[in-house]
Amino acid sequence: DSGVTQTPKHLITATGQRVTLRCSPRSGDLSVYWYQQSLDQGLQFLIQYYNGEERAKGNILERFSAQQFPDLHSELNLSSLELGDSALYFCASAGTLGTGELFFGEGSRLTVL
Amino acid sequence: EDQVTQSPEALRLQEGESSSLNCSYTVSGLRGLFWYRQDPGKGPEFLFTLYSAGEEKEKERLKATLTKKESFLHITAPKPEDSATYLCSGLDGGSEKLVFGKGTKLTVNP
Repeated sequence: DSGVTQTPKHLITATGQRVTLRCSPRSGDLSVYWYQQSLDQGLQFLIQYYNGEERAKGNILERFSAQQFPDLHSELNLSSLELGDSALYFCASAGTLGTGELFFGEGSRLTVL
Repeated sequence: EDQVTQSPEALRLQEGESSSLNCSYTVSGLRGLFWYRQDPGKGPEFLFTLYSAGEEKEKERLKATLTKKESFLHITAPKPEDSATYLCSGLDGGSEKLVFGKGTKLTVNP
């Protein structure tokens, strides 16, 4: 158990809909990362927050947005969903900046029909 | 653009048959090379950090090494429980982005 909690574990929705994925980092970790994992693309970095502020951005679509709240939990919002958005979405946390030692949650599997 | 390439994509070994996985990288201002293990339906689990060429790290049957352009994950006398996907990643020192390769799926048959 990494200590990172993600909800929901599974989500099935329709094209055009909007969903919110939630992440609680390990106790004491200020950094939260979001990654998307699909079969053909591997793990793709979406966005990183540190103590409530956006720190780094990857190839995150404009239809996606995220935020980190004062209690350090984070949410990833996916809107106008397309079939190609079906993937595993992972949240990870870290205790320090500039580290590659991340602690991943078990992921949220999104299926768009 | 930062890139991490892993080979082979998949590897089947018999129990006890040692082998190596390769990770080549072009990452701007590399500030560390990281290996992870991922089991099906789970999140990646951190294994090793390597910072400089020549560095080696070991954990049970796994040993990770780093050169200036690539890293290897050596698996000695593997067991079926070593079956997993092994992911390599590089930390871009400028952007602080951790870039992952697509992984090597290792299957160890008893």
